Amino acid sequence: AQSVTQLDSHVSVSEGTPVLLRCNYSSSYSPSLFWYVQHPNKGLQLLLKYTSAATLVKGINGFEAEFKKSETSFHLTKPSAHMSDAAEYFCVVSGASGYSTLTFGKGTMLLVSP
Amino acid sequence: EAQVTQNPRYLITVTGKKLTVTCSQNMNHEYMSWYRQDPGLGLRQIYYSMNVEVTDKGDVPEGYKVSRKEKRNFPLILESPSPNQTSLYFCASSLGVGFQETQYFGPGTRLLVL
Repeated sequence: AQSVTQLDSHVSVSEGTPVLLRCNYSSSYSPSLFWYVQHPNKGLQLLLKYTSAATLVKGINGFEAEFKKSETSFHLTKPSAHMSDAAEYFCVVSGASGYSTLTFGKGTMLLVSP
Repeated sequence: EAQVTQNPRYLITVTGKKLTVTCSQNMNHEYMSWYRQDPGLGLRQIYYSMNVEVTDKGDVPEGYKVSRKEKRNFPLILESPSPNQTSLYFCASSLGVGFQETQYFGPGTRLLVL
């Protein structure tokens, strides 16, 4: 079995300040982990993914995430928020079945103020 | 352009009237899947398919049917829609069926069942 917990339903930051979106996972296997972003009225776009290579993963638009097995965490960070980062972010785990079956967290809404 | 397409994008229907949401991908992907997104619940998998004529239930399959007669198409069928199936639906596909594969999402279909 696998599960994902996104620790914050909403995160508010000011433009130019750091972003931290927290994600903890549970998996009986060595999982793959993903972060997807959904802008208002849009589909889902892959930000980055971890697949057992480097534990620090760099994604698009300046985002990165670090896989910490001991803490079962995969937090998403960005040094400086931009207004265009305002969106909903989903942490996703895969691997329990051995196949491409994704389990989504409930999402974190990132609000960016000027 | 490589993409996953869904039709219709918006649909209003009445309880009990059969409907089909189409999904098509032009990337020769093996794996296809349907998800529904509800506020506060993230995305939950309805059905998935690992190849032509191979389909299986996800986490919330009740009230839905699928078929995979061709590799590129994976329609979602609601035989007798009910109001609790009002939701935002996403189709996704990935090249392979392994858990490290990246899934690519369609633009979504917003369904309202009256």
